[in-house]
Amino acid sequence: SYELTQPPSVSVSPGQTARITCSGDALPKKYAYWYQQKSGQAPVLVIYEDSKRPSGIPERFSGSSSGTMATLTISGAQVEDEADYYCYSTDSSGNHVVFGGGTKLTVL
Amino acid sequence: EVQLVESGGGLVQPGGSLRLSCAASGFTFSSYWMSWVRQAPGKGLEWVANIKQDGSEKYYVDSVKGRFTISRDNAKNSLYLQMNSLRAEDTAVYYCARRQFYSSGSDAFDIWGQGTMVTVSS
Repeated sequence: SYELTQPPSVSVSPGQTARITCSGDALPKKYAYWYQQKSGQAPVLVIYEDSKRPSGIPERFSGSSSGTMATLTISGAQVEDEADYYCYSTDSSGNHVVFGGGTKLTVL
Repeated sequence: EVQLVESGGGLVQPGGSLRLSCAASGFTFSSYWMSWVRQAPGKGLEWVANIKQDGSEKYYVDSVKGRFTISRDNAKNSLYLQMNSLRAEDTAVYYCARRQFYSSGSDAFDIWGQGTMVTVSS
C-alpha cells in the first residue's frame, strides 16, 4: 500500500522558518496537500496542489514539491502555528486517499 | 455558511454496530464526492471511505472493507456510515469531509465537520 512519510516533530523559535517534509513514491505524479490540525479541532487545509494557498491562509505558509518529496514551509513561524501538520495525497488510481503520519510543530 | 455536522457516535461493545450521520448545509451537497476520515486517540488521520455524488462509486480503506458501508441521501443532504462488527481498533473521532476537485482534476478535503467520537469497548 502507498505511504507518505513525515518526521514526527519539528521545533523552531518564533520568527524562524519551519520546514516540514513529506516523502512518497507517487509524489512526482501526484499533488501534495497539507493540513493543519490544532489540538481538539478539525483539520484545516493550508496548501493544495503542492503550492497553492486557500483563501484566508496567511502568506507565511508555502509549499513546494520536487521528485518524491513535498515540503511545507512556514516563514516566520508564530506561536499560533503550533499544531500537527499532515500531508495528503492519493494513490495512482485517485480513489484511495493516504495521509502522512503527521508532524508536530513546536514554536517556542 | 458551509457546514458539516456529524452525529451518532457513542460507546458500543466489540462486535456491535453503529450508524453515523453527517448533515450538510450551505452548499449543493449532491454535487460533491463525500468522505469519512477517522482519528484514533493520540494518532494521525486515516481515510475511511469515499462516495461519489450519486452513490454509484464507493471506496474503502482495506481495514474496514466488508464491515463499514458509506451511503448518502441527496434529498436530505446527508451522508452516512454504517459500521458493523466493530473492533477496539475502530475507536476514533470520525469526521465527514467534502471532497473538492480542482481544475487540474486533483482533489482535497476542503470542508470538515467537528467530528463524532466512537468508542468500542466492553
